[in-house]
Amino acid sequence: DIVMTQSPDSLAVSLGERTTIHCKSSQTILDSSNNKNSLAWYQQKPGQPPKLLFSWASTRESGVPDRFSGSGSGTDFTLTISSLQAEDVAVYYCQQYYRTVSFGGGTKVEIK
Amino acid sequence: EVQLVQPGAEMKKPGESLKISCKASGYIFTNFWIGWVRQMPGKGLEWMGIIYPEDSDTRYSPSFQGQVTISADKSITTAYLQWSSLRASDTAMYFCARPKMYYYGSGNYGIDAFDVWGQGTMVTVSS
Repeated sequence: DIVMTQSPDSLAVSLGERTTIHCKSSQTILDSSNNKNSLAWYQQKPGQPPKLLFSWASTRESGVPDRFSGSGSGTDFTLTISSLQAEDVAVYYCQQYYRTVSFGGGTKVEIK
Repeated sequence: EVQLVQPGAEMKKPGESLKISCKASGYIFTNFWIGWVRQMPGKGLEWMGIIYPEDSDTRYSPSFQGQVTISADKSITTAYLQWSSLRASDTAMYFCARPKMYYYGSGNYGIDAFDVWGQGTMVTVSS
């Protein structure tokens, strides 16, 4: 099984500050059929299902603000929020869909 | 509108059986896989398994193999997750989710990220 490890577990950031969340896979998740990394990022707010933010590591879903960006390749990936807004308080999960599916443990983002 | 509709909550006693549903609408049910995800209270997301309703091809996470059964009924565009004997440790929110699909040639499609989610069913198992 592919293990996804996120860091940090939680962080508190001031409004307007930059936020970076890391995700590491235990093996490469590069899909040779399209040369893309099979990595998604989700945002989950309390009482709601997860919401897809990015697929293929960096492809932003429609409607996701451009202050969010996804990057990385191979086994190391990053979700960045360039300027944290109050509505971004949530738990963020990475997920690989290269070999079945597995999730990272989540990163809780709060306002400092 | 593409939707997955789940019942809000179920309350059961230990040892009882349960089958929860995920009703799909707004798309061709047999063209997409449907997966199940567990979230225990205050915890993260755990992958349980996935089914392709067209032929009922089912894949389970090793952690859930033998613990639950995933099925689908094409005639009523509904996927199911069931337990034969519930335990208190099964208390959790259960989400169904549909992945996007991508074409990679020779008539083959792969699973992409999960863009459609049900609201979740809260299963509480308590005596």
